[in-house]
Amino acid sequence: GQQVMQIPQYQHVQEGEDFTTYCNSSTTLSNIQWYKQRPGGHPVFLIQLVKSGEVKKQKRLTFQFGEAKKNSSLHITATQTTDVGTYFCAVTNTGNQFYFGTGTSLTVIP
Amino acid sequence: DAGVIQSPRHEVTEMGQEVTLRCKPISGHNSLFWYRQTMMRGLELLIYFNNNVPIDDSGMPEDRFSAKMPNASFSTLKIQPSEPRDSAVYFCASSQFPGQGMWPQHFGDGTRLSIL
Repeated sequence: GQQVMQIPQYQHVQEGEDFTTYCNSSTTLSNIQWYKQRPGGHPVFLIQLVKSGEVKKQKRLTFQFGEAKKNSSLHITATQTTDVGTYFCAVTNTGNQFYFGTGTSLTVIP
Repeated sequence: DAGVIQSPRHEVTEMGQEVTLRCKPISGHNSLFWYRQTMMRGLELLIYFNNNVPIDDSGMPEDRFSAKMPNASFSTLKIQPSEPRDSAVYFCASSQFPGQGMWPQHFGDGTRLSIL
């Protein structure tokens, strides 16, 4: 069955340090979405990637879709306390099945 | 603009009782999703509707769970009878067009359910 793993599960960084989370699938994907969930909040859509090798940027956030369309990464440059939360990837495979990843919980230490 | 509205925000009830969770999607959105979130299992898709029709309910845990969408502006998720292992945060989400992962999903604030 579909497996969507995110690594790391938890990450603690000093404010100003960079952060990266990886989303890995066992099968080829049609597309991938990224969501952020603040503590006590609900998931909020960040971005969608569709093309092989695609790179998109949102201010300090950089999203990348792997060439083989089996993995993706989210990189945050110079983290701020407002970046705290859990980051989820959500994937659609070639069978049109949709799954959320396991999430990476980010803590930013001031 | 009003987002996805869920009620109640919190529900505490005893096992064996019927629980009904409610959701009003964003006006004009054609797809609606019910999710369950727990520490152990993460965010699980339970069921989703396109144009009020259930498309995939393979994530519904068992027959105790049922979901309906009688019209484009209202959906319910019912658990009967409830059990302690049903304790979780239940989210409703909607998207503008059909297709599970093809369009951004907008989530409600969730219902935090505790079954004693």
